[in-house]
Order: sequence, then C-alpha cells, then structure tokens
Amino acid sequence: NAGVTQTPKFQVLKTGQSMTLQCAQDMNHEYMSWYRQDPGMGLRLIHYSVGAGITDQGEVPNGYNVSRSTTEDFPLRLLSAAPSQTSVYFCASSRQGKSESNYGYTFGSGTRLTVV
Amino acid sequence: RKEVEQDPGPFNVPEGATVAFNCTYSNSASQSFFWYRQDCRKEPKLLMSVYSSGNEDGRFTAQLNRASQYISLLIRDSKLSDSATYLCVVNLRNKLTFGGGTRVLVKP
Repeated sequence: NAGVTQTPKFQVLKTGQSMTLQCAQDMNHEYMSWYRQDPGMGLRLIHYSVGAGITDQGEVPNGYNVSRSTTEDFPLRLLSAAPSQTSVYFCASSRQGKSESNYGYTFGSGTRLTVV
Repeated sequence: RKEVEQDPGPFNVPEGATVAFNCTYSNSASQSFFWYRQDCRKEPKLLMSVYSSGNEDGRFTAQLNRASQYISLLIRDSKLSDSATYLCVVNLRNKLTFGGGTRVLVKP
C-alpha cells in the first residue's frame, strides 16, 4: 500500500514551459486535492476533486489545470510556467464521507518546483 | 483577516515540559477540524482530529470551542521528537484551509 505517490520529487522549469505533476493513490479515496506551500503563506488549495470526472477550483487555481479520469490519478498541469509558481506542491487524498466527518487527508511527499 | 490563524512561534520548550497553543478560525460554518504535524521539508501528517467534546491521544490533547471559534493543542511530557511545525486545519464542505503553522522546538 503505497499511499499517495507524487512524481517528480524535484523539477526545474524555464519560464513558459509546461509540465504535468503526477499524483496517484492506491487507497480508493474519492477526494483528492492539490496544494502549494510557500514560505509564510501556509498551504493553499489549488484544485480539488470529489470523484472521477468531477473537479473544482480552490483558492489559487490560475495557471493550473486538472483532470480526474480515474479514481487513482489526479495530475496537475502547469500551462506556461512562471517564476511565481516556484513552490512546493502537495497532493492529498481522503475517503468519502459527510462534510462534517473527521476523515483526515493523506499527503504525498511533495514536488519541489523551481521556475527560472 | 486570515481564515485560520496561528501564532507562528517558535515555542521553545524544555524536554519534559507541557506546551499548549491555539488556533482561531473565522468561518462559523466550519465542519471539522484537525491538527497536522509537518517536519522540515516534509509532507504534513495527520496528528489528530478534533472533536467537540475534546479528545486525547497519548500525550496530545485537542480541544474545540465552537462558540469562540478556536482550537487548541496541548502536548504533555514533551519529547525532542515533538519538534515540528503544527498546522491547524479546518474543513468546510470537503475543502481544507490551513493555518500558517506553529513551530515548536523541544530542547534538552
């Protein structure tokens, strides 16, 4: 049981390049999310999904796209990388429950992205 | 005003001592609450959920005060391994909002 797997762990991009951050979970979790973490800002929600075929925007969605074609995978695409997207990106998943449930999210180990 | 606010610390704690810190949240409709632990350059890991009646997990005790909209975490008998950043997390309609974290340094 690998949990939440993110690839790559590190990436350097040039401004304007595009790339996809991969996230996969093997826990059959319905909910998946992408966060970015910047110094002094805490974790901020980029996009999230409550099930295959369903995605929605979080707090900071601009410059990112997502899709959820399967329960297991939730890739994050950077359309045209900018230096402001230099950050640590975390993917997380949780099992389905009522909104007031206390199911916690499991996080992947993160992708450290630098845009130059 | 931030949706979830925490004292960034650091809280310098002698080994074996007790430390407590709070988190306040602004949205009274928030539905569930958590404490996560994050070590330097690592992913956040769930420490404990926070229940309205308060709950304990070993040396850790969490409290929720919905009327005043704050959550607390108390660590008893602090260990060196408790040194980390503790993140307060609030869930509303399956969207998590994180506080900026409280840094705790346990020293011998």
